[in-house]
Amino acid sequence: NAGVTQTPKFQVLKTGQSMTLQCAQDMNHEYMSWYRQDPGMGLRLIHYSVGAGITDQGEVPNGYNVSRSTTEDFPLRLLSAAPSQTSVYFCASSLDREGLGADTQYFGPGTRLTVL
Amino acid sequence: AQTVTQSQPEMSVQEAETVTLSCTYDTSESDYYLFWYKQPPSRQMILVIRQEAYKQQNATENRFSVNFQKAAKSFSLKISDSQLGDAAMYFCAYGKLTFGTGTRLTIIP
Repeated sequence: NAGVTQTPKFQVLKTGQSMTLQCAQDMNHEYMSWYRQDPGMGLRLIHYSVGAGITDQGEVPNGYNVSRSTTEDFPLRLLSAAPSQTSVYFCASSLDREGLGADTQYFGPGTRLTVL
Repeated sequence: AQTVTQSQPEMSVQEAETVTLSCTYDTSESDYYLFWYKQPPSRQMILVIRQEAYKQQNATENRFSVNFQKAAKSFSLKISDSQLGDAAMYFCAYGKLTFGTGTRLTIIP
């Protein structure tokens, strides 16, 4: 049982390049999400998904795209990287019980992204 | 929208002593869940403790306990008998959507 895995662990991009951050979980969780962590700002939600084929925007969705074709995978795509997207990115998953945010989230190890 | 405030960017405590990390939140909901997560230098976020708002009893998990004051919208974390391995960033969270800015805890040997 690997939990939540993320690849790559580190990435350097040039402005304007695109890339995909991979996230996978093997706990059969319906809910998956992407956060970015910036100094002094905590974790901010980018996008989330409550099941295969269903995604929605979080607090800071601009410049990012997601899709959820399977329960296990939830990739995050940067369409045209900008220096403002330099951050640490975390993927998380949890059971999805109705509405209350009741369930513990399990986090991946994070991806440190630098955009030059 | 819910907000979470952690007013202490940094805290330090002597090893074996007790420390309390503050968290306040704002919500119009009556049923909700609050969490404390720990992020050690390895960057891996892990759950410390979870509180259900409709439960009067404060959650405890070994040396970790919370003081949950629903009317005051306060959810502080108490760490007893602090150990070197407790050194980390601690994040308070409201459900799945809203995190505080974190408190960096240093343990002084």
